[in-house]
Parts: sequence; structure tokens; C-alpha cells
Amino acid sequence: AQRVTQPEKLLSVFKGAPVELKCNYSYSGSPELFWYVQYSRQRLQLLLRHISRESIKGFTADLNKGETSFHLKKPFAQEEDSAMYYCALSGLNYGQNFVFGPGTRLSVLP
Amino acid sequence: DAGVIQSPRHEVTEMGQEVTLRCKPISGHNSLFWYRQTMMRGLELLIYFNNNVPIDDSGMPEDRFSAKMPNASFSTLKIQPSEPRDSAVYFCASTVGTSGTYEQYFGPGTRLTVT
Repeated sequence: AQRVTQPEKLLSVFKGAPVELKCNYSYSGSPELFWYVQYSRQRLQLLLRHISRESIKGFTADLNKGETSFHLKKPFAQEEDSAMYYCALSGLNYGQNFVFGPGTRLSVLP
Repeated sequence: DAGVIQSPRHEVTEMGQEVTLRCKPISGHNSLFWYRQTMMRGLELLIYFNNNVPIDDSGMPEDRFSAKMPNASFSTLKIQPSEPRDSAVYFCASTVGTSGTYEQYFGPGTRLTVT
């Protein structure tokens, strides 16, 4: 069964410090992985997806198939990065389910 | 485009009452998803539609929940009868493709409270 885990419910870092939000998944096949973000009083929105290999707002995420991980990283956290972050997985075939992790709340302290 | 539109934004109802949540996807999008968010269970996919056809409703918790998409621009999620444990934020999302591999655009959510 598809499953996404995010071990940290809350992560607090100081401004300028590196941040890593962990995500592990289980899936029998080749999944597509995403990070979605929800800023305070805003809608849930896509941050990045592994297939595009982009850096968005300084964040990057590398898919490690051996460790079945898709950790989100940023070298220097900013206060405006404070938000709820969700890792998500989708099967590549039509009709396959889409699963979100439980989410990690990132708090960047001044 | 106003994005995905959901109504109402807040709903308070008494146990046993029928609740109907509404969603208008982004024009041109052909997939629509309904999610439920709670503190205990996080964000759960309830059901999704491709081209107005329900594809996977395995996430629908029980027969009290039903969803319809009569046309490409409108979907409803109905709970009848409602129970206190149904209290949650319900999100609707739409995407241009026919699978979750495309970016999903979320609505603002409907906060449901069942007393």
C-alpha cells in the first residue's frame, strides 16, 4: 500500500540555519513525489515536485529510491518559510491514488 | 480565474442533519479531488473524479458520505446524517490532468463543525 511518513510534527529552527524536513514513502513501483506547503491563512499549494528538479524559494528535494526518501532542504531558513509542509506521493498510472503525509509544521524563529 | 471555489467556508450543524459541501473547480480542469483534514488523521483523500466520473472512492469513510459531479464545473460532497466525528476541514482540489501527477490546485476549504 502507498504510504508517506513525516516523522516530525513540529520543527523549529533559527533564521539563517539550515533546515531539513524529512519524508519517507512506501510504494511498489515508480512514484511521483511532491512537496506542498500551506502558509498561514493561505491555500495549500504545490512547492515542488521531484520530476521537475527545480529549486523553489531556495528549497530543494532529492528523491532517494534506495532509502525511499524525499527530504526537503534549504540551506538558510527565512522567517517567511514558517508554514505547514506536506510530502505527497502519486502513482504514475491512471487511476492510482494520491497520498499525503501527516505534515510538518516549520517554525523559523528570529 | 478565482481558483477553486468552495462553499460554504464555515458550516456549523447539529448531529443528524444533512450537510452539503460545494466545489467549483478551475475551468478546463478535468480532475477533481475531495480531501478531509483533521488533527488526528491529517489530510485524507476521500474521492476523486476524472471527467466527472468517480474513479476511486475508497477513501470515503462510510455510506453516510456521498459525492457527485453532475458536470465539469460543479461537485458536491454530502454527509447524511452528520456526526460529531465528521468535524474537519474539507478541501476540494482540481487538476488539468487525469491523475495526481499534475499539480493540484486547492480551494480554501470548508470548516465543518457538527455539534
